[in-house]
Amino acid sequence: DTGVSQDPRHKITKRGQNVTFRCDPISEHNRLYWYRQTLGQGPEFLTYFQNEAQLEKSRLLSDRFSAERPKGSFSTLEIQRTEQGDSAMYLCASSLLVRLGDRARDTQYFGPGTRLTVL
Amino acid sequence: QKEVEQDPGPLSVPEGAIVSLNCTYSNSAFQYFMWYRQYSRKGPELLMYTYSSGNKEDGRFTAQVDKSSKYISLFIRDSQPSDSATYLCAMSGYSGAGSYQLTFGKGTKLSVIP
Repeated sequence: DTGVSQDPRHKITKRGQNVTFRCDPISEHNRLYWYRQTLGQGPEFLTYFQNEAQLEKSRLLSDRFSAERPKGSFSTLEIQRTEQGDSAMYLCASSLLVRLGDRARDTQYFGPGTRLTVL
Repeated sequence: QKEVEQDPGPLSVPEGAIVSLNCTYSNSAFQYFMWYRQYSRKGPELLMYTYSSGNKEDGRFTAQVDKSSKYISLFIRDSQPSDSATYLCAMSGYSGAGSYQLTFGKGTKLSVIP
C-alpha cells in the first residue's frame, strides 16, 4: 500500500497524559498537512510542512501541541497535558505541488486518521 | 458566519436518484474547489478537483463552480447504496506561507436506500 499511513489508529488516554501520533506520507510527496476533525464537523487545518520546515501553524495549534518532520519524511504530532477537548480525529495529508502555468495543483491525499479519546 | 457553509443533512434518497449537494463560501481568495467523500471512521477521499467556474464531469459525478455567486455543487447520477457516505466540500487558495490549506464544510451525510 503506497498511500498515507497513520499510527496508531486509535488512542485512549487519561486527561493530563502526553500522546504522540505518527504520519508516513506518500514517499515522493514533500508537502505534509495535519488537520483535526471533531464529530459532525469538517477537518480543520492545524499545520503545514514543506520538506522538514514547518511553514504554517493555525491558531488552533496551542502551545501544548508540537509537530515535527525530521529529514522531511515521516511526521509526528505530540499533544502534551491532554484535555477532554482534544478528543478528535487527527488527520494527516500529503501532496506534491504541480505547477500548471499560472495555477498550482496541490492535491492532498489523506491518511485514515488517528482517533483520540481523552477520558 | 463560517467561511464555508454546507447543509449537514442527513439526506436520504432511493437508489438510482440524482443527488445534488452544495456549498456556499464567503472568501473570494479561494481558487481551488474540491469534493471529498468520507466513509465512517475513515479519512477523506478526493472525488473532484476544479479550478475555475464551470462544470467538470467524471463518470457519475459532476462538479459545478460558480465563483460569481460563491456557490459550488456536486451531482451524483444513478446513485448507488455504495455512495452512502459523508460528502465534504473543500476550498483553498495560496496562503502566502507556502501552503494551500483546505477549508472544509461540515459535510453532508448521504444515505442511498436500495
